[in-house]
Amino acid sequence: EPEVTQTPSHQVTQMGQEVILRCVPISNHLYFYWYRQILGQKVEFLVSFYNNEISEKSEIFDDQFSVERPDGSNFTLKIRSTKLEDSAMYFCASSLGTGGYEQYFGPGTRLTVT
Amino acid sequence: QKEVEQNSGPLSVPEGAIASLNCTYSDRGSQSFFWYRQYSGKSPELIMSIYSNGDKEDGRFTAQLNKASQYVSLLIRDSQPSDSATYLCAVRLAGGTSYGKLTFGQGTILTVHP
Repeated sequence: EPEVTQTPSHQVTQMGQEVILRCVPISNHLYFYWYRQILGQKVEFLVSFYNNEISEKSEIFDDQFSVERPDGSNFTLKIRSTKLEDSAMYFCASSLGTGGYEQYFGPGTRLTVT
Repeated sequence: QKEVEQNSGPLSVPEGAIASLNCTYSDRGSQSFFWYRQYSGKSPELIMSIYSNGDKEDGRFTAQLNKASQYVSLLIRDSQPSDSATYLCAVRLAGGTSYGKLTFGQGTILTVHP
């Protein structure tokens, strides 16, 4: 069964450093998403991406964040200058469409900022 | 005002019993509703989706939707210890400016004891 994959599973970085989190969505899916979950808190939407551009973003997704689909398979989230409060699980998800289409989540990347 | 609310629990049921999980949402424009299961340290795993008022059954799981009351629930019949997890309710607005963003509740912790 096709699944969303993410790398790395765990990333440790120092405050102020740039990190890139990588995702390979399900191959025939067209919509891609990033969510994050701070430990003990709820899953929060960051951004949605379709047709090589951002279609929606939350207030969390400020200028420090960017997304890119550099080739036909990868979808990346970049944080330019990490802060302590960026420490969280970051989940990539994908779906065939919007509407009632279901979103499938990858295993996540645990980002720890020290 | 919270957008999606769930009782955080924990909800404890004996093995073989029915577990009932509830969720309310504030936005009447919400059109798609999803239940995810999340084991500790893992990513959300889609269990069920529901879009129309009424019941939808899939194996031991039944989702119920009442849009007039802005209420969605998940019933788990013949609960097993392996069902012990956090259950997340997620809601998606209809079209317009929404491109698939899911809004999650805090999650209900379910414990099924032998």
